[in-house]
Amino acid sequence: DGGITQSPKYLFRKEGQNVTLSCEQNLNHDAMYWYRQDPGQGLRLIYYSQIVNDFQKGDIAEGYSVSREKKESFPLTVTSAQKNPTAFYLCASRGGGMNTEAFFGQGTRLTVV
Amino acid sequence: AQSVTQLGSHVSVSEGALVLLRCNYSSSVPPYLFWYVQYPNQGLQLLLKYTSAATLVKGINGFEAEFKKSETSFHLTKPSAHMSDAAEYFCAVTDYGNNRLAFGKGNQVVVIP
Repeated sequence: DGGITQSPKYLFRKEGQNVTLSCEQNLNHDAMYWYRQDPGQGLRLIYYSQIVNDFQKGDIAEGYSVSREKKESFPLTVTSAQKNPTAFYLCASRGGGMNTEAFFGQGTRLTVV
Repeated sequence: AQSVTQLGSHVSVSEGALVLLRCNYSSSVPPYLFWYVQYPNQGLQLLLKYTSAATLVKGINGFEAEFKKSETSFHLTKPSAHMSDAAEYFCAVTDYGNNRLAFGKGNQVVVIP
């Protein structure tokens, strides 16, 4: 089945450690996105990529890094520089033009203790 | 940059009553607008989208939305709420030129039996 897979679903890390969240899609979509979700804040864009080997900062990129070496994969690293990393992280992909919908993964809940 | 505004973070509705969720957009050009639904600890699922083909858009689960350019609005409605409609709903807009997808802060819908 085509879709987006985020792993793991739950992730616990100690403060000061970097952690990488996985996002894989088999929809052959060019664009991929990372969002952070906090209660009452909606979805805030961290990074997005429109093609392989290219990505742009979103609204809250500080403390995060990404790579896009393959079309199918867009991993997100939460670095120790991110001051408040505990959140729900959502990955999405989008094919076609600006009128096409994004497809979302099931999310990763990261807790930093 | 295009953006959307959703007012009233929590919306309570009685079972069988009208569901009305408001979304206003800011855009100087015809926008591409979307409504998504999110169930607890899951990703987002598309309810419907506006792409200028018709001002009244029908979506899944009995939801529909009407695009009103004069009011810069794209409100979501459902004539009769069901318990299964309890979820969080997000309005989103595509940002022209960079393919960003920007979300509102969401409405948490509670259905009262």
